[in-house]
Amino acid sequence: GEDVEQSLFLSVREGDSSVINCTYTDSSSTYLYWYKQEPGAGLQLLTYIFSNMDMKQDQRLTVLLNKKDKHLSLRIADTQTGDSAIYFCAEGDDKIIFGKGTRLHILP
Amino acid sequence: DADVTQTPRNRITKTGKRIMLECSQTKGHDRMYWYRQDPGLGLRLIYYSFDVKDINKGEISDGYSVSRQAQAKFSLSLESAIPNQTALYFCATSDLSGGEKNEQFFGPGTRLTVL
Repeated sequence: GEDVEQSLFLSVREGDSSVINCTYTDSSSTYLYWYKQEPGAGLQLLTYIFSNMDMKQDQRLTVLLNKKDKHLSLRIADTQTGDSAIYFCAEGDDKIIFGKGTRLHILP
Repeated sequence: DADVTQTPRNRITKTGKRIMLECSQTKGHDRMYWYRQDPGLGLRLIYYSFDVKDINKGEISDGYSVSRQAQAKFSLSLESAIPNQTALYFCATSDLSGGEKNEQFFGPGTRLTVL
């Protein structure tokens, strides 16, 4: 069945770039997503990319998609303390399959 | 006011008890979902509904049931709670139409503890 894999933890110094990686199995998904979960809250859509694109930039966020390798990444430039959260990679059309989430920890 | 609300926000119960978690939405979305979140396991889909007359099992439906009482309401029941159902439960909605992205809108979650 479909599966989405991502590492569970990432520590980054404030001001550096954070890169969160994800691999997925369902190559038929029209869109791929990154969701953010802040402490004590539900998930919120952070950004997404159409499957025919290989890059999308939105302010400090850059999403890269390698369809051949089924690899998705999220780069956060100039990481701030407010970026501390769990980031979920997700894919799917009618049903969304979420990865296990990467907890981003910001070091001072 | 929040678009997707869940009640209760926290619940502690005992093994064998029947529990109902409720979800309401004011977004006017047809699609509603129930997920559970466990540390290290991410989000797993329990049940989903694409409209009032449609109910589908997700990845981990055993031990759970749902009811879609109206477009705006989707409840999750645990008929006889067991400790491994201790988790954070999320309701979500979406309004997928014709090739658009399936953005999910999540409620704040219900933390359920089964003793």
